Amino acid sequence: KAGVTQTPRYLIKTRGQQVTLSCSPISGHRSVSWYQQTPGQGLQFLFEYFSETQRNKGNFPGRFSGRQFSNSRSEMNVSTLELGDSALYLCASSLQGAGAGELFFGEGSRLTVL
Amino acid sequence: DAKTTQPPSMDCAEGRAANLPCNHSTISGNEYVYWYRQIHSQGPQYIIHGLKNNETNEMASLIITEDRKSSTLILPHATLRDTAVYYCIGLYNFNKFYFGSGTKLNVKP
Repeated sequence: KAGVTQTPRYLIKTRGQQVTLSCSPISGHRSVSWYQQTPGQGLQFLFEYFSETQRNKGNFPGRFSGRQFSNSRSEMNVSTLELGDSALYLCASSLQGAGAGELFFGEGSRLTVL
Repeated sequence: DAKTTQPPSMDCAEGRAANLPCNHSTISGNEYVYWYRQIHSQGPQYIIHGLKNNETNEMASLIITEDRKSSTLILPHATLRDTAVYYCIGLYNFNKFYFGSGTKLNVKP
């Protein structure tokens, strides 16, 4: 079965712009969680959505937001981009939730902010 | 916060067992310990998880101390393809993953 798909794979933005990233989970998975990975901070949890509801949130400013649709696809949005937002953004899907079982990760979206 | 501590890097000879330690001293009684690995900035890959008992699957074994303050991931016969960053993950507030800094395992021929 198809894995987790993230689009776009690479993108370049400038400071002050906004960006939307998309994640299509494995069919049947209702949980989608998002992570930011940078060389300095490592992998950090952003938030998790389960059945269209945000269930958990990490310690990120309000510029980072997300949503989940009825087909479990999820988007995350970053507004007013800053240089420090340059990172690999990963999403993961699971059947039961981010803390209840195996996470299946996508290949990530690499964002560069100039 | 249930945070994990891992050595930044380790070397292992090909064919030998790789033993990767992790400290998770603030983990609570009902929180699982998960191990993932990441190769070349690909998405992390699940390896194994456990609560109290030792666990084994086709990829690895997980040894958890009785007090649950630390664990060890064992790759029984490391290959060059096992070169990766290994993350020991504890949960804080069930359903939130906290990724530590990971251990870069270098498997050498």
